[in-house]
Amino acid sequence: EAQVTQNPRYLITVTGKKLTVTCSQNMNHEYMSWYRQDPGLGLRQIYYSMNVEVTDKGDVPEGYKVSRKEKRNFPLILESPSPNQTSLYFCASSLSGYGRNTIYFGEGSWLTVV
Amino acid sequence: AQSVAQPEDQVNVAEGNPLTVKCTYSVSGNPYLFWYVQYPNRGLQFLLKYITGDNLVKGSYGFEAEFNKSQTSFHLKKPSALVSDSALYFCAVRDDTGRRALTFGSGTRLQVQP
Repeated sequence: EAQVTQNPRYLITVTGKKLTVTCSQNMNHEYMSWYRQDPGLGLRQIYYSMNVEVTDKGDVPEGYKVSRKEKRNFPLILESPSPNQTSLYFCASSLSGYGRNTIYFGEGSWLTVV
Repeated sequence: AQSVAQPEDQVNVAEGNPLTVKCTYSVSGNPYLFWYVQYPNRGLQFLLKYITGDNLVKGSYGFEAEFNKSQTSFHLKKPSALVSDSALYFCAVRDDTGRRALTFGSGTRLQVQP
């Protein structure tokens, strides 16, 4: 089954404790990205990757890091999480980064930073 | 810059009645428009998209959307609502100038009453 898989789905952590949210897709997609969803704001892009070893900032990159060492994986790293990073996070992928391609989303990861 | 507006936070409709969820957009180039649906505790599911051609686009679960270039709108419609359609709906846009991000509206909650 074609899918985007994120882990963990739910996490409560403390301020300053580094964490990684993993993301994997099995569709051989070139383009992957991370979004956060906050009430009243919709989804905002954090980082994206056009292909292996190619990453770039989205609209809200502060406090996050990413890497793309393999085509299928695109982990999101919070080096020193803060309470304002409490949010619902989505990983997404599409065949390429160009406009007409549909973007497919994972199930989401609920992150709470206390 | 590209943007999406969903002017209604919530839409209420009785089961069996037609429904409309409104969306307007702003982009520099030609738009690629998408609708996604989010059920409770689930990821975003793709419903339909407009790339080019026929202004009326048909998608999953009986939904359709009408692209109106002069009004820069892409309203989501369904002729007969079901209680199971109750969910959060997001409109999103990309343009053809090469920008990679999918820009989302703030979302509209659809409540279908039995």
